[in-house]
Amino acid sequence: EAAVTQSPRNKVTVTGGNVTLSCRQTNSHNYMYWYRQDTGHGLRLIHYSYGAGNLQIGDVPDGYKATRTTQEDFFLLLELASPSQTSLYFCASSDWGGGEQYFGPGTRLTVL
Amino acid sequence: GQQVQQSPASLVLQEGENAELQCNFSSTATRLQWFYQHPGGRLVSLFYNPSGTKHTGRLTSTTVTNERRGSLHISSSQTTDSGTYFCAIDNNNRIFFGDGTQLVVKP
Repeated sequence: EAAVTQSPRNKVTVTGGNVTLSCRQTNSHNYMYWYRQDTGHGLRLIHYSYGAGNLQIGDVPDGYKATRTTQEDFFLLLELASPSQTSLYFCASSDWGGGEQYFGPGTRLTVL
Repeated sequence: GQQVQQSPASLVLQEGENAELQCNFSSTATRLQWFYQHPGGRLVSLFYNPSGTKHTGRLTSTTVTNERRGSLHISSSQTTDSGTYFCAIDNNNRIFFGDGTQLVVKP
């Protein structure tokens, strides 16, 4: 089974703060994804990547940057955090674009 | 537009009852995946089911792609089944999630 880890698991920051969320997958999957989940809703895609150095825009990209530094590592960056970005963030990976997705444990971010 | 619609939005069962969760999608999706989200937030993949019927324990996933629908059947529900169930479909190499069905199983 694919292993996807995220750090930190919980993060509190203030409005205007800088936040970096990290994701690592160890199954050599090509695709990696960042989602956010707000209370009572499904997941919404922020950014995704199909390989090191690649970045694709998702459905809710505003206010987020992302970088895929290696096959294993995908980072989500909030450079000027706002309270509207308080959410549960999930990273996922898949072998190909339509393949089965494996999720990390999530990072709960609170922006005060 | 809304790619994936799940029903019901919420469901309350007595332990031992069965449940049928529905997923309808608007695009010509090629794959459907069911997830369970623990009350604490962790997501677990239940089924990756492009078409047909798959079984795991008390769970059955059925996908009818040409009718753009899928279902998840839970038999003999247990209190530990409580949580939120999501279906997701892929379209053009991207995954779209429904808003989930929140299930509560009472003892």
